[in-house]
Amino acid sequence: DAKTTQPPSMDCAEGRAANLPCNHSTISGNEYVYWYRQIHSQGPQYIIHGLKNNETNEMASLIITEDRKSSTLILPHATLRDTAVYYCIVCRTIYNQGGKLIFGQGTELSVKP
Amino acid sequence: SAVISQKPSRDICQRGTSLTIQCQVDSQVTMMFWYRQQPGQSLTLIATANQGSEATYESGFVIDKFPISRPNLTFSTLTVSNMSPEDSSIYLCSVVYPMDIQYFGAGTRLSVL
Repeated sequence: DAKTTQPPSMDCAEGRAANLPCNHSTISGNEYVYWYRQIHSQGPQYIIHGLKNNETNEMASLIITEDRKSSTLILPHATLRDTAVYYCIVCRTIYNQGGKLIFGQGTELSVKP
Repeated sequence: SAVISQKPSRDICQRGTSLTIQCQVDSQVTMMFWYRQQPGQSLTLIATANQGSEATYESGFVIDKFPISRPNLTFSTLTVSNMSPEDSSIYLCSVVYPMDIQYFGAGTRLSVL
């Protein structure tokens, strides 16, 4: 599975959009981009995933570049409860079996009042 | 999303003993995974548990130390054997649900004295 590179930490003002970048320059054509977050040593929480098209759900938006070598997770209106470590993971999945999630160090996002 | 219950939520154990961690999910799932998160570190995959077959272990993890059972499609156990202080970690299970999304339990916080 391809590796990812994320900034170790970021700050964001409450109410503003948080844009978390991720580089995955060695991604293969059949690998998805997944985003998870972990709040204070709780179990990781799934946020969103995509293959090549941009995706949006109730939590966030995922923007994947056309060459798929990088992506950005957007939290449109960050709140204090979004303070967490965010993990960008690329993974090849098999239908109904998922895939091995290889966690890097992630980005520690601090949302400040 | 899946409802995943892990037991115990935390434990303090003596070195040389063993602890069995249970993972129960509220619906049938094909794949379950076990992860370890050492203090201050990211998650590391221990093994993949597929119902009806032997667990598949990642490099650095062996069955004698971390035996896994998967008796049915809703349940799995991970045993941490002959524990030492280096085994002090959070142990998490995850399940693969439709749309190939992995959901995580809250984790078991283990301290070995």
